Amino acid sequence: DTAVSQTPKYLVTQMGNDKSIKCEQNLGHDTMYWYKQDSKKFLKIMFSYNNKELIINETVPNRFSPKSPDKAHLNLHINSLELGDSAVYFCASTFQGASYGYTFGSGTRLTVV
Amino acid sequence: AQSVTQLGSHVSVSEGALVLLRCNYSSSVPPYLFWYVQYPNQGLQLLLKYTTGATLVKGINGFEAEFKKSETSFHLTKPSAHMSDAAEYFCAVGFLTGGGNKLAFGTGTQLKVEL
Repeated sequence: DTAVSQTPKYLVTQMGNDKSIKCEQNLGHDTMYWYKQDSKKFLKIMFSYNNKELIINETVPNRFSPKSPDKAHLNLHINSLELGDSAVYFCASTFQGASYGYTFGSGTRLTVV
Repeated sequence: AQSVTQLGSHVSVSEGALVLLRCNYSSSVPPYLFWYVQYPNQGLQLLLKYTTGATLVKGINGFEAEFKKSETSFHLTKPSAHMSDAAEYFCAVGFLTGGGNKLAFGTGTQLKVEL
């Protein structure tokens, strides 16, 4: 199936831990994103990569570090997790160009306890 | 800056009734506009989009939206609601920045469909 796939789907962890979320797309897209959806369903862009190059870095704590080993993969590593990091994190991909919509993954629900 | 505003965080309709979800945009350039749907515990799925050309856009699941430049609106409609339409709906505007392609989302509208 052509898709954007994220792992894991659920992640429960303690404060202070370090965790990673992985994302892969097989759509041939050249641009990938991380979005954060808070408890009120608001979606906020965090990062964007185009062909492995970081092109958008919103105001995100530097505890969050994205890595793109190739244009089909975008991972998110989070250090020293805090309660406020609890949210759903979505990966998305598209072709460069504002007229293309994004294809989203199914999300990773991160709960920090 | 490009943005969208969704009027009404919650909309409730009866099954079989008209669905109308409102979205107004702000853009300094011709906008690219999108509607996404999010079912519980799932990702966002593209319903429809407007880029250029015909201002009435048809999407999946019987939804459509009309781009009205004079009203800066892109409202989503469906003639007859079905129980399966209950979900969160997001309007979004796409634009290019110095850093690349961005989608800015509205705050979402929760659609409830009642028997």
